[in-house]
Amino acid sequence: GQQLNQSPQSMFIQEGEDVSMNCTSSSIFNTWLWYKQDPGEGPVLLIALYKAGELTSNGRLTAQFGTTRKDSFLNISASIPSDVGIYFCAGQETSGSRLTFGEGTQLTVNP
Amino acid sequence: ETGVTQTPRHLVMGMTNKKSLKCEQHLGHNAMYWYKQSAKKPLELMFVYSLEERVENNSVPSRFSPECPNSSHLFLHLHTLQPEDSALYLCASSQWGAGVAFFGQGTRLTVV
Repeated sequence: GQQLNQSPQSMFIQEGEDVSMNCTSSSIFNTWLWYKQDPGEGPVLLIALYKAGELTSNGRLTAQFGTTRKDSFLNISASIPSDVGIYFCAGQETSGSRLTFGEGTQLTVNP
Repeated sequence: ETGVTQTPRHLVMGMTNKKSLKCEQHLGHNAMYWYKQSAKKPLELMFVYSLEERVENNSVPSRFSPECPNSSHLFLHLHTLQPEDSALYLCASSQWGAGVAFFGQGTRLTVV
């Protein structure tokens, strides 16, 4: 089935640094989502994107729906220790189809 | 009150036990899902319910038995599980057809 390639798999950064991660697919998606999962918890929705080229912010987080509709990017500015967790991208190919998830990016922020 | 609530949060069971996981959503959604999350693997979709009817079963072994009595509640009945079934089990809900799904906190299951 469809798979999403999410990179990097892990990141180790210093507090205050900016972070970038991305997801790519082999087919076109209509919806891109970004989730964050804290240890022992379920994923929490951060940002939803519905239109090619769309750029959406949520506080220090900014995500973009790639113009080819085959990729999406998430940026975190001025990272803080509570940004630690696993970030998942997810995409929906067509309305009604199932979400496909990336394998996640494990983010570690050193104070 | 959180949107999607799962109980219990943690469960340890023997291979001969029978237990059930419960999920309740307060978002007015009409679709509910069970996912399995194992270490270093992507989220695996197990079951999908739309308007209380099962619409998808992704080759899940019969030792996992879902039940959706109404649009707000979803259960996963477990029996004769194997140690490799140990994982975080996540429930999610959405409006049918919409891309956005909201997850519960998960149940950490350990099979001994």
